[in-house]
Amino acid sequence: TAGITQAPTSQILAAGRSMTLRCTQDMRHNAMYWYRQDLGLGLRLIHYSNTAGTTGKGEVPDGYSVSRANTDDFPLTLASAVPSQTSVYFCASRRGGAQDNEQFFGPGTRLTVL
Amino acid sequence: GQQLNQSPQSMFIQEGEDVSMNCTSSSIFNTWLWYKQDPGEGPVLLIALYKAGELTSNGRLTAQFGITRKDSFLNISASIPSDVGIYFCAGQFNVGDYKLSFGAGTTVTVRA
Repeated sequence: TAGITQAPTSQILAAGRSMTLRCTQDMRHNAMYWYRQDLGLGLRLIHYSNTAGTTGKGEVPDGYSVSRANTDDFPLTLASAVPSQTSVYFCASRRGGAQDNEQFFGPGTRLTVL
Repeated sequence: GQQLNQSPQSMFIQEGEDVSMNCTSSSIFNTWLWYKQDPGEGPVLLIALYKAGELTSNGRLTAQFGITRKDSFLNISASIPSDVGIYFCAGQFNVGDYKLSFGAGTTVTVRA
């Protein structure tokens, strides 16, 4: 079982360009999440989706958009990248249900915006 | 998000030592989770705590959900080299809202 896959593994992007970070899970989990990880700040939630067809804003949503057309995929788009979006991005999923807060994380995408 | 204060920020371990780290919050949490992140990988869940006062072990790891619901600690007993990594606490604040707030992490390194 692959679990959660993310692509690309890493990317260098020129400021002002757009980019989509891909996330796919094969566990049929209902909820999915995008985080960014920055040194000294831990993981901060960007956007989330509790079920296919719904999305919500997290702690740091500005400059990012998401869609959830189906259960398995949850792409994150940067419409016009800025250097402050340089970070490591993690996608996560959660099965769902009460007392089921375990989130499973992908391997991450390291993005550098120049 | 809810503010979680995790300490220490970093620590050095010697093989065989017991180590401890903790998280505190100004708000009450309904769930506490502890994750470990190895270099170049995503975080992996170590222990999940769902009730105030709960003490749970996973091998050499022990974690407790504080009685006040505003803190949690993680202990690692008899540490080994593969314990190095970044440990994160995470808390769920709102019932029915399964978003997690993460601490800034504790970086564990082997003492030379």
